Amino acid sequence: DIQMTQSPSSLSASVGDRVTITCRASQGISNYLAWYQQKPGKVPKLLIYAASTLQSGVPSRFSGSGSGTDFTLTISSLQPEDVATYYCQKYNSAPSITFGQGTRLEIK
Amino acid sequence: EVQLVESGGGLVQPGGSLRLSCAASGFTFSSYWMSWVRQAPGKGLEWVANIKQDGSEKYYVDSVKGRFTISRDNAKNSLYLQMNSLRAEDTAVYYCARSTKWLVMNWFDPWGQGTLVTVSS
Repeated sequence: DIQMTQSPSSLSASVGDRVTITCRASQGISNYLAWYQQKPGKVPKLLIYAASTLQSGVPSRFSGSGSGTDFTLTISSLQPEDVATYYCQKYNSAPSITFGQGTRLEIK
Repeated sequence: EVQLVESGGGLVQPGGSLRLSCAASGFTFSSYWMSWVRQAPGKGLEWVANIKQDGSEKYYVDSVKGRFTISRDNAKNSLYLQMNSLRAEDTAVYYCARSTKWLVMNWFDPWGQGTLVTVSS
């Protein structure tokens, strides 16, 4: 089975900072990757699919990139409302679906 | 507005059974793959099962195969998860989530609010 590893597991950054979260697949998955945001006590929300396509309604400060085994989620200018845990999800070998372990993002 | 509302969670003893339901509204339910995803307390997300639009294909994570059954009723715009032989490690919030119309585009949007299943004696 393909494993998804996110790094870091947690990070703390200041408002306005550029933040990057990495997701690495143990085997190539082309661009079959999605990113989710889960705010404390809330339901997960889709941010990005197909590695780099921004879901409708998601602020443009969020972006995704990568293909194959290495992917990144970038927040160009961190806002207080971005405090959340972020998950990557691979879906290349349908129906098998795997999430990364999550990255907790806090404000300094 | 697209909405998914789960129900049926609760406290159950190990070895027991529970049936979760998800009522869908605001979209053509019969046109989408649907999934269940769970999250153990303080842990990450784990896909559990999904089902094709007409119910003809169903897939499960290995840990629930033979114990859980996903089903749907398109006439009632409803998704179900029958959970048997429950174990302590099945304790989690169970989310109903809409996938896309195609299995190869298997991301989830939106998600329901979740229903908590607690397996404990």
